[in-house]
Amino acid sequence: GAGVSQSPRYKVAKRGQDVALRCDPISGHVSLFWYQQALGQGPEFLTYFQNEAQLDKSGLPSDRFFAERPEGSVSTLKIQRTQQEDSAVYLCASSLLGGGDNEQFFGPGTRLTVL
Amino acid sequence: EDQVTQSPEALRLQEGESSSLNCSYTVSGLRGLFWYRQDPGKGPEFLFTLYSAGEEKEKERLKATLTKKESFLHITAPKPEDSATYLCAVLPYGNNRLAFGKGNQVVVIP
Repeated sequence: GAGVSQSPRYKVAKRGQDVALRCDPISGHVSLFWYQQALGQGPEFLTYFQNEAQLDKSGLPSDRFFAERPEGSVSTLKIQRTQQEDSAVYLCASSLLGGGDNEQFFGPGTRLTVL
Repeated sequence: EDQVTQSPEALRLQEGESSSLNCSYTVSGLRGLFWYRQDPGKGPEFLFTLYSAGEEKEKERLKATLTKKESFLHITAPKPEDSATYLCAVLPYGNNRLAFGKGNQVVVIP
C-alpha cells in the first residue's frame, strides 16, 4: 500500500505570498501530525489532528499558519503572507491510532523556500 | 520544557567499527522515547519505542537502551547503508507532542 504522500515536494514563494501544502496520510490512519524541520535540526511539532478534530495547535508559530483536515483524511497546511523565516521542510506524519505514542509514518516533506 | 540533546552531532565510522549514539533528555514524565532514522531528502523512518528504564530493543545491527535520563543507540559492525541521521524524540505525559533532538549524523566509510 501507499505511504504518506505530500505535495508539492518543492515550493518557492515570494515573501508575502500565501502557500498551501497538502498531505495524504495512509488510508484509515486516525492521527495526523505536521512538523517543521529547519536545516540541520530535528522536526518541530506544529499541530495534531485526531480524525477531523484539531486537538493541539500549540506548535503553530503564528496566526499566519493554519491547518485543516475537514473529512478526517487529507490535510492542508496553509501559510499566509510568507516570511523568509518560514523557509523549511514541512513534514506530515500519520499513525493508525489516536495519540502520540504510536509509530508515526512520515511523508517525504515539502521543501518551502521563501525569497 | 522538554529537552532532548543528542551527541555526538556527527560521527564518521569505518565499516565494522561499532559505536554508540547518546540521547539525553529532560521531561516532566516520560510516556515513551522514540528513535527514528532519516535519510537525506526523506522523512524520518521509525526504528524503536522504549517505555521504561532498563528496556532494550534490537533490530539488525541496531540496539536501543533506556535509562531514566538517557538512551543509547548502539550500532554493531556498521555497514555503509547504516549511514543516516538518527533522531531521538520524547513523548511526555499529558500531550501528544513528540519533542525531537537535532540528530546524530552517521557516515559509515567502506
